[in-house]
Amino acid sequence: DTAVSQTPKYLVTQMGNDKSIKCEQNLGHDTMYWYKQDSKKFLKIMFSYNNKELIINETVPNRFSPKSPDKAHLNLHINSLELGDSAVYFCASSQVVGPPQHFGDGTRLSIL
Amino acid sequence: SQQGEEDPQALSIQEGENATMNCSYKTSINNLQWYRQNSGRGLVHLILIRSNEREKHSGRLRVTLDTSKKSSSLLITASRAADTASYFCATDSAGNTGKLIFGQGTTLQVKP
Repeated sequence: DTAVSQTPKYLVTQMGNDKSIKCEQNLGHDTMYWYKQDSKKFLKIMFSYNNKELIINETVPNRFSPKSPDKAHLNLHINSLELGDSAVYFCASSQVVGPPQHFGDGTRLSIL
Repeated sequence: SQQGEEDPQALSIQEGENATMNCSYKTSINNLQWYRQNSGRGLVHLILIRSNEREKHSGRLRVTLDTSKKSSSLLITASRAADTASYFCATDSAGNTGKLIFGQGTTLQVKP
């Protein structure tokens, strides 16, 4: 059984479009995260939610909006996609606000 | 700004040899964690060392932490081809937010 699952695994779209990435965890964790990994493998946190409440909001453009309908889900919506948004986006979860974090397998976003 | 830097960026060894990776960071920390990322997959938590610990072992992994030098090392003994992956250090220093700052990783290739 997949612990942290993301859909889709690959997303190819054109500049200017709006897209969403979904994340679900079946671990019963309270905290979920979104990370962005660039082409040089540099991984940076974007957002985190604890019990559906936003606790980390890094310097991310307003075009990125996370939504947590319940503790098991944290979706990422991106408006007006730009070339620089091309990256691999990882969702993660943890039982409490702290280690260890469990990662999904990522969504590779490519902007044409 | 990026917290962690890892050295070397790439490492190639023969099966059975030991692999050592180093990580340096910039600010005081609560703990330091090591993660493994296999190609095309998410990160997997390997080991955590707290700021008041100097060394920790888990199976073939040995982690050291020198807070005076703001550095850590990960030693993998008796490496196997299955250890081929990228290894990242991550520091937790921001109180109870779960925010991790990742290094850029060391890519390890273990040749059979």
